[in-house]
Amino acid sequence: GQQLNQSPQSMFIQEGEDVSMNCTSSSIFNTWLWYKQDPGEGPVLLIALYKAGELTSNGRLTAQFGITRKDSFLNISASIPSDVGIYFCAGPQGGNTGKLIFGQGTTLQVKP
Amino acid sequence: DTGVSQNPRHKITKRGQNVTFRCDPISEHNRLYWYRQTLGQGPEFLTYFQNEAQLEKSRLLSDRFSAERPKGSFSTLEIQRTEQGDSAMYLCASSLGPRGEQYFGPGTRLTVT
Repeated sequence: GQQLNQSPQSMFIQEGEDVSMNCTSSSIFNTWLWYKQDPGEGPVLLIALYKAGELTSNGRLTAQFGITRKDSFLNISASIPSDVGIYFCAGPQGGNTGKLIFGQGTTLQVKP
Repeated sequence: DTGVSQNPRHKITKRGQNVTFRCDPISEHNRLYWYRQTLGQGPEFLTYFQNEAQLEKSRLLSDRFSAERPKGSFSTLEIQRTEQGDSAMYLCASSLGPRGEQYFGPGTRLTVT
C-alpha cells in the first residue's frame, strides 16, 4: 500500500535557525498537505500543494511539491520557540475518497 | 468562522463500557472524516461520510465501532465494549468535496482503564 516516509524523525535546533524536512513516497500523489500538531491538539493545516513543481509560502513556511510527484519538502525560516511541534505530511490515498494517509511525523524542538 | 469542534475532549472509561463521541464539522463542508491516532504515529483513516451517507470504512473499524451522520450535519462515533487497545486520540476532519483541504478538530482523547 501507499506509505509516506518523513525525515528527519526529530530535530533539535537553535532559535533563529532555518529548518528543512521532507516526505517521500513510493507512489505518485496529486496533492500534498503539510500539518502541524501541538500536544493534545488536532493537526492544523499549514500548506496545501496541488501541482508538481509548485512552491507555496505561508509566512516563514515554504513547501514544495516535488517534480516527480513522489516527494515534498517543508522549510521553516528563522525558527521561533512556537514552531515546536510535530509536522506531518499527508496525501490523498487515491480514488475519489479524499481519505488521507500521513507520514510518521517530524518532531521539532527549538532552543531559545 | 467556526472550525471543527469535538466533544468531549477527554474521556476515561472502564473496559467493557460504551462511549460516544461527537463531531461538528465546518457548516458548509459535505465531507466528514474520522481518524484515529496513537502515540508517536500519524492519524489513520477510520471512515468517512459524504453528506449523510457513510461511503467507506477502514479495516481498522471493527464491528464494535459505529458511526453516523444523521441529516448530514454532525457525526457521532460509538465504540461498544471498549478494550484497552481502543485508547487513542480520535480525530474528526471535514472538507468541501474530495479534493478539498481537510480541517481537523481538536480531537477526543480516549483512555480505557
